[in-house]
Amino acid sequence: RKEVEQDPGPFNVPEGATVAFNCTYSNSASQSFFWYRQDCRKEPKLLMSVYSSGNEDGRFTAQLNRASQYISLLIRDSKLSDSATYLCVVKPYGNKLVFGAGTILRVKS
Amino acid sequence: DGGITQSPKYLFRKEGQNVTLSCEQNLNHDAMYWYRQDPGQGLRLIYYSQIVNDFQKGDIAEGYSVSREKKESFPLTVTSAQKNPTAFYLCASWTGRGLDTGELFFGEGSRLTVL
Repeated sequence: RKEVEQDPGPFNVPEGATVAFNCTYSNSASQSFFWYRQDCRKEPKLLMSVYSSGNEDGRFTAQLNRASQYISLLIRDSKLSDSATYLCVVKPYGNKLVFGAGTILRVKS
Repeated sequence: DGGITQSPKYLFRKEGQNVTLSCEQNLNHDAMYWYRQDPGQGLRLIYYSQIVNDFQKGDIAEGYSVSREKKESFPLTVTSAQKNPTAFYLCASWTGRGLDTGELFFGEGSRLTVL
């Protein structure tokens, strides 16, 4: 089993739609969780950190479910500019971070 | 402006040649990382360094070498022993002072193609 697993997609949604991605992790002792956004052929950039039970930033909401070992990302009112690959990142211990392979989102007009 | 500078952005290399990718940061971060990304795959950790003169192997260190002689610099050498070196290489630093807070901040990456 991979340490971090994501549905690769692509998720094709119309503008204005709500879309959700899930990410599962295998190490139950993991303490820190992140969502990064990566545009085509660019470096990943932090979208949100998820430190406790979840948090919200504008149209984006991240949730953590420790019992089931998954985190989710909800995007409301999708914009064309939201089209990107969303990477789930888990910090199981120390300074090690493990990346999922990413979920591709395509928002269409 | 503070940031991470990677160079070169694009590099072509013949098989059997070593190549060194530069990574310089002026953010005063202690921990630095090198990742490799292949199409359709997540980032895989090559090496990381938590302090000057110390570094640790990541998951795919074979065929790579690093040094950390200065806090600002963490160059990666891709040696001829690396079987499939064509990839997108990303250097990053950890923004937090401790292990529990912070985030990974990335440079713009170096794209290496072996001909």
